[in-house]
Amino acid sequence: SQELEQSPQSLIVQEGKNLTINCTSSKTLYGLYWYKQKYGEGLIFLMMLQKGGEEKSHEKITAKLDEKKQQSSLHITASQPSHAGIYLCGADGDYGQNFVFGPGTRLSVLP
Amino acid sequence: DTEVTQTPKHLVMGMTNKKSLKCEQHMGHRAMYWYKQKAKKPPELMFVYSYEKLSINESVPSRFSPECPNSSLLNLHLHALQPEDSALYLCASSQDRGSIRNSPLHFGNGTRLTVT
Repeated sequence: SQELEQSPQSLIVQEGKNLTINCTSSKTLYGLYWYKQKYGEGLIFLMMLQKGGEEKSHEKITAKLDEKKQQSSLHITASQPSHAGIYLCGADGDYGQNFVFGPGTRLSVLP
Repeated sequence: DTEVTQTPKHLVMGMTNKKSLKCEQHMGHRAMYWYKQKAKKPPELMFVYSYEKLSINESVPSRFSPECPNSSLLNLHLHALQPEDSALYLCASSQDRGSIRNSPLHFGNGTRLTVT
């Protein structure tokens, strides 16, 4: 079955700094999704990537899906305290079954 | 604001109680999901409904009973739960289970369940 790994597990940055979160899949990714979760709340859909080499941006967040389609990166430019939370990557599982999540990256942004 | 609404936001129940969690979406999505999330863990899939029919049950104990009365509503009936069932229960919907690879899941804010 497909498994997702994320790095780093947690990240503490100073406000204004750039950062990158990585998501690596054990199998080829056909659809890669990034979500953000505040503690105790639901997941907020950020972006979906489908094609190798695809890159999407939303405000100061940019996500890429690499050409070999087994890794995605999420980059935040000039981080703000509002960016703090848990970032989870998700992907379609085998044969379209089970939407699987990575373990998450916990981001703290210090003012 | 999320377009998937879950009620209640918080629920405390005893091990002998019967309660229900409710989820509603009005985006015309035909697939709905229940996830369970423990602290500091990613969400784990419990059930998937596609076109109002149960399509996936991830070996969930029978004390959890899902119901999909129509395409907009999803319930999770709870009975004789254990303290280890305490968690955040998340509902999600997507446009179409069959084309899930082009259809992101949209989540509600969850129900925080505590079993005493």
